[in-house]
Amino acid sequence: AQSVTQLDSHVSVSEGTPVLLRCNYSSSYSPSLFWYVQHPNKGLQLLLKYTSAATLVKGINGFEAEFKKSETSFHLTKPSAHMSDAAEYFCVVSDSSASKIIFGSGTRLSIRP
Amino acid sequence: GAVVSQHPSWVICKSGTSVKIECRSLDFQATTMFWYRQFPKQSLMLMATSNEGSKATYEQGVEKDKFLINHASLTLSTLTVTSAHPEDSSFYICSSWGGVNNEQFFGPGTRLTVL
Repeated sequence: AQSVTQLDSHVSVSEGTPVLLRCNYSSSYSPSLFWYVQHPNKGLQLLLKYTSAATLVKGINGFEAEFKKSETSFHLTKPSAHMSDAAEYFCVVSDSSASKIIFGSGTRLSIRP
Repeated sequence: GAVVSQHPSWVICKSGTSVKIECRSLDFQATTMFWYRQFPKQSLMLMATSNEGSKATYEQGVEKDKFLINHASLTLSTLTVTSAHPEDSSFYICSSWGGVNNEQFFGPGTRLTVL
Protein backbone atom coordinates (compact mmCIF):
# COMPACT_ATOMS: atom_id res chain seq x y z
CA ALA A 1 0.00 0.00 0.00
CA GLN A 2 1.09 3.52 -0.68
CA SER A 3 0.68 6.64 1.38
CA VAL A 4 2.10 10.11 1.47
CA THR A 5 2.33 12.55 4.37
CA GLN A 6 2.88 16.25 4.07
CA LEU A 7 4.17 17.30 7.42
CA ASP A 8 3.09 20.94 7.35
CA SER A 9 -0.36 22.18 6.45
CA HIS A 10 0.87 25.76 6.21
CA VAL A 11 4.31 27.26 5.66
CA SER A 12 4.99 30.99 5.69
CA VAL A 13 8.29 32.49 4.56
CA SER A 14 9.56 35.93 3.68
CA GLU A 15 10.18 36.84 0.07
CA GLY A 16 13.75 36.04 -0.89
CA THR A 17 14.25 33.39 1.79
CA PRO A 18 14.47 29.62 1.23
CA VAL A 19 11.42 27.41 0.99
CA LEU A 20 11.17 23.89 2.42
CA LEU A 21 8.01 21.83 2.03
CA ARG A 22 8.26 18.41 3.62
CA CYS A 23 6.91 15.14 2.28
CA ASN A 24 7.33 11.58 3.49
CA TYR A 25 6.06 8.56 1.65
CA SER A 26 5.37 4.92 2.22
CA SER A 27 5.47 2.38 -0.56
CA SER A 28 6.04 -1.32 -0.82
CA TYR A 29 7.82 -0.92 -4.13
CA SER A 30 9.87 1.67 -5.95
CA PRO A 31 7.58 4.65 -6.16
CA SER A 32 7.26 7.51 -8.54
CA LEU A 33 6.98 10.81 -6.69
CA PHE A 34 5.63 14.13 -7.86
CA TRP A 35 5.12 17.66 -6.64
CA TYR A 36 2.20 19.65 -8.00
CA VAL A 37 1.25 23.27 -7.41
CA GLN A 38 -2.27 24.62 -7.42
CA HIS A 39 -3.02 28.31 -7.47
CA PRO A 40 -6.43 29.45 -6.17
CA ASN A 41 -9.29 28.17 -8.30
CA LYS A 42 -6.85 26.72 -10.81
CA GLY A 43 -5.93 23.24 -11.94
CA LEU A 44 -2.80 21.37 -11.02
CA GLN A 45 0.59 22.12 -12.51
CA LEU A 46 3.41 19.61 -12.37
CA LEU A 47 6.50 21.06 -10.71
CA LEU A 48 8.75 18.02 -10.90
CA LYS A 49 8.80 14.25 -10.74
CA TYR A 50 11.07 11.46 -9.60
CA THR A 51 10.96 8.19 -11.50
CA SER A 52 14.03 6.27 -10.30
CA ALA A 53 16.59 8.25 -12.23
CA ALA A 54 18.62 10.99 -10.53
CA THR A 55 17.73 11.43 -6.87
CA LEU A 56 17.97 15.21 -7.09
CA VAL A 57 15.24 16.41 -9.35
CA LYS A 58 15.05 19.92 -10.75
CA GLY A 59 11.70 21.32 -11.70
CA ILE A 60 10.16 24.47 -12.99
CA ASN A 61 10.31 27.91 -11.38
CA GLY A 62 13.51 27.12 -9.49
CA PHE A 63 12.08 24.29 -7.41
CA GLU A 64 13.90 21.06 -6.75
CA ALA A 65 13.40 17.96 -4.63
CA GLU A 66 15.64 15.21 -3.39
CA PHE A 67 14.57 11.59 -3.14
CA LYS A 68 16.02 10.03 0.00
CA LYS A 69 15.14 6.37 0.22
CA SER A 70 16.70 5.91 3.66
CA GLU A 71 14.47 8.65 5.04
CA THR A 72 11.49 7.90 2.75
CA SER A 73 11.36 11.59 2.04
CA PHE A 74 10.90 13.79 -1.00
CA HIS A 75 11.11 17.34 0.32
CA LEU A 76 10.57 20.29 -2.02
CA THR A 77 12.94 23.24 -1.83
CA LYS A 78 13.58 26.57 -3.47
CA PRO A 79 16.53 28.85 -2.63
CA SER A 80 14.64 32.11 -2.79
CA ALA A 81 10.88 32.53 -2.49
CA HIS A 82 8.95 34.80 -4.79
CA MET A 83 5.54 36.29 -4.16
CA SER A 84 4.15 34.32 -7.09
CA ASP A 85 5.05 31.08 -5.30
CA ALA A 86 2.14 31.53 -2.91
CA ALA A 87 -0.10 28.55 -3.61
CA GLU A 88 -1.08 25.07 -2.46
CA TYR A 89 1.49 22.34 -3.00
CA PHE A 90 0.74 18.64 -3.21
CA CYS A 91 3.14 15.75 -2.86
CA VAL A 92 2.00 12.70 -4.79
CA VAL A 93 3.09 9.07 -4.86
CA SER A 94 2.25 6.50 -7.47
CA ASP A 95 3.24 3.05 -8.50
CA SER A 96 5.65 2.58 -11.38
CA SER A 97 2.88 2.50 -13.94
CA ALA A 98 1.33 5.72 -12.61
CA SER A 99 -2.00 3.99 -12.99
CA LYS A 100 -3.10 5.12 -9.57
CA ILE A 101 -1.79 7.99 -7.56
CA ILE A 102 -2.21 9.13 -3.98
CA PHE A 103 -2.27 12.79 -3.03
CA GLY A 104 -0.88 14.25 0.14
CA SER A 105 -3.05 16.56 2.18
CA GLY A 106 -1.37 19.63 0.75
CA THR A 107 0.76 22.45 2.12
CA ARG A 108 -0.28 26.04 1.74
CA LEU A 109 2.70 28.27 1.10
CA SER A 110 2.39 31.93 2.05
CA ILE A 111 5.00 34.52 1.14
CA ARG A 112 5.48 37.60 3.33
CA PRO A 113 6.65 40.79 1.60
CA GLY B 1 3.02 18.49 -21.64
CA ALA B 2 -0.20 17.01 -22.85
CA VAL B 3 -3.38 19.04 -22.69
CA VAL B 4 -6.50 17.92 -20.92
CA SER B 5 -9.58 20.09 -21.12
CA GLN B 6 -12.71 20.15 -19.03
CA HIS B 7 -16.07 21.62 -19.83
CA PRO B 8 -17.67 23.51 -18.31
CA SER B 9 -15.17 25.26 -16.10
CA TRP B 10 -17.90 26.50 -13.79
CA VAL B 11 -21.51 25.47 -13.37
CA ILE B 12 -24.32 26.46 -11.03
CA CYS B 13 -27.42 24.31 -10.85
CA LYS B 14 -30.51 23.84 -8.78
CA SER B 15 -30.79 21.03 -6.28
CA GLY B 16 -32.22 17.91 -7.86
CA THR B 17 -30.92 18.52 -11.36
CA SER B 18 -28.17 16.58 -13.12
CA VAL B 19 -24.93 18.03 -14.37
CA LYS B 20 -22.56 16.56 -16.94
CA ILE B 21 -18.87 17.38 -16.93
CA GLU B 22 -16.68 16.52 -19.91
CA CYS B 23 -13.01 15.67 -19.81
CA ARG B 24 -11.06 15.55 -23.05
CA SER B 25 -7.55 14.35 -23.71
CA LEU B 26 -6.41 16.56 -26.57
CA ASP B 27 -2.92 15.29 -27.34
CA PHE B 28 -3.11 11.54 -26.92
CA GLN B 29 -5.50 8.67 -26.63
CA ALA B 30 -6.15 7.83 -23.02
CA THR B 31 -7.38 4.37 -22.15
CA THR B 32 -7.51 5.42 -18.53
CA MET B 33 -8.82 8.64 -17.07
CA PHE B 34 -9.40 9.57 -13.45
CA TRP B 35 -11.97 11.73 -11.68
CA TYR B 36 -11.13 13.59 -8.47
CA ARG B 37 -13.11 15.76 -6.12
CA GLN B 38 -11.61 18.56 -4.09
CA PHE B 39 -13.50 20.30 -1.31
CA PRO B 40 -12.37 23.77 -0.21
CA LYS B 41 -9.00 23.79 1.50
CA GLN B 42 -8.67 20.03 1.13
CA SER B 43 -6.66 17.69 -1.02
CA LEU B 44 -7.83 15.84 -4.09
CA MET B 45 -9.71 12.64 -3.45
CA LEU B 46 -9.89 10.02 -6.17
CA MET B 47 -13.50 9.22 -7.00
CA ALA B 48 -13.16 6.72 -9.78
CA THR B 49 -11.02 5.30 -12.53
CA SER B 50 -12.54 5.51 -15.95
CA ASN B 51 -11.55 2.84 -18.46
CA GLU B 52 -12.38 3.20 -22.13
CA GLY B 53 -14.98 0.70 -23.21
CA SER B 54 -15.65 -0.74 -19.77
CA LYS B 55 -17.25 0.16 -16.49
CA ALA B 56 -15.58 2.64 -14.21
CA THR B 57 -13.98 1.53 -10.98
CA TYR B 58 -15.25 3.54 -8.04
CA GLU B 59 -13.42 4.24 -4.82
CA GLN B 60 -14.93 3.18 -1.55
CA GLY B 61 -17.65 5.51 -0.40
CA VAL B 62 -18.39 6.96 -3.85
CA GLU B 63 -21.92 6.24 -5.05
CA LYS B 64 -21.75 4.85 -8.56
CA ASP B 65 -25.42 5.55 -9.21
CA LYS B 66 -24.98 9.17 -8.29
CA PHE B 67 -21.73 9.82 -10.13
CA LEU B 68 -22.14 8.26 -13.55
CA ILE B 69 -18.97 7.91 -15.57
CA ASN B 70 -18.87 7.18 -19.26
CA HIS B 71 -15.63 6.69 -21.19
CA ALA B 72 -16.98 6.11 -24.65
CA SER B 73 -13.88 7.06 -26.60
CA LEU B 74 -10.15 7.25 -26.08
CA THR B 75 -10.30 11.02 -25.77
CA LEU B 76 -13.47 11.67 -23.83
CA SER B 77 -14.74 10.77 -20.38
CA THR B 78 -17.84 12.29 -18.83
CA LEU B 79 -18.93 12.55 -15.22
CA THR B 80 -22.62 13.10 -14.59
CA VAL B 81 -23.66 14.18 -11.12
CA THR B 82 -27.25 12.99 -10.88
CA SER B 83 -29.82 14.64 -8.64
CA ALA B 84 -27.23 17.05 -7.36
CA HIS B 85 -27.50 18.42 -3.84
CA PRO B 86 -25.66 21.27 -2.12
CA GLU B 87 -23.25 18.83 -0.50
CA ASP B 88 -22.09 17.85 -4.00
CA SER B 89 -20.75 21.35 -4.51
CA SER B 90 -17.06 20.90 -5.10
CA PHE B 91 -14.17 21.25 -7.52
CA TYR B 92 -14.08 18.25 -9.87
CA ILE B 93 -10.81 17.50 -11.63
CA CYS B 94 -10.10 14.87 -14.24
CA SER B 95 -6.82 13.49 -15.45
CA SER B 96 -5.64 11.42 -18.36
CA TRP B 97 -3.00 8.79 -18.02
CA GLY B 98 -0.72 8.07 -20.90
CA GLY B 99 1.52 9.99 -23.25
CA VAL B 100 5.11 9.27 -24.13
CA ASN B 101 6.26 8.88 -20.52
CA ASN B 102 3.08 7.35 -19.13
CA GLU B 103 2.18 10.07 -16.71
CA GLN B 104 -0.94 11.82 -15.52
CA PHE B 105 -2.08 15.09 -17.01
CA PHE B 106 -4.68 17.06 -15.13
CA GLY B 107 -7.53 19.10 -16.45
CA PRO B 108 -8.15 22.63 -15.18
CA GLY B 109 -11.10 21.53 -13.06
CA THR B 110 -14.83 22.24 -12.96
CA ARG B 111 -16.35 24.12 -10.09
CA LEU B 112 -19.85 22.88 -9.33
CA THR B 113 -22.16 24.90 -7.13
CA VAL B 114 -25.53 23.39 -6.26
CA LEU B 115 -28.09 25.81 -4.91
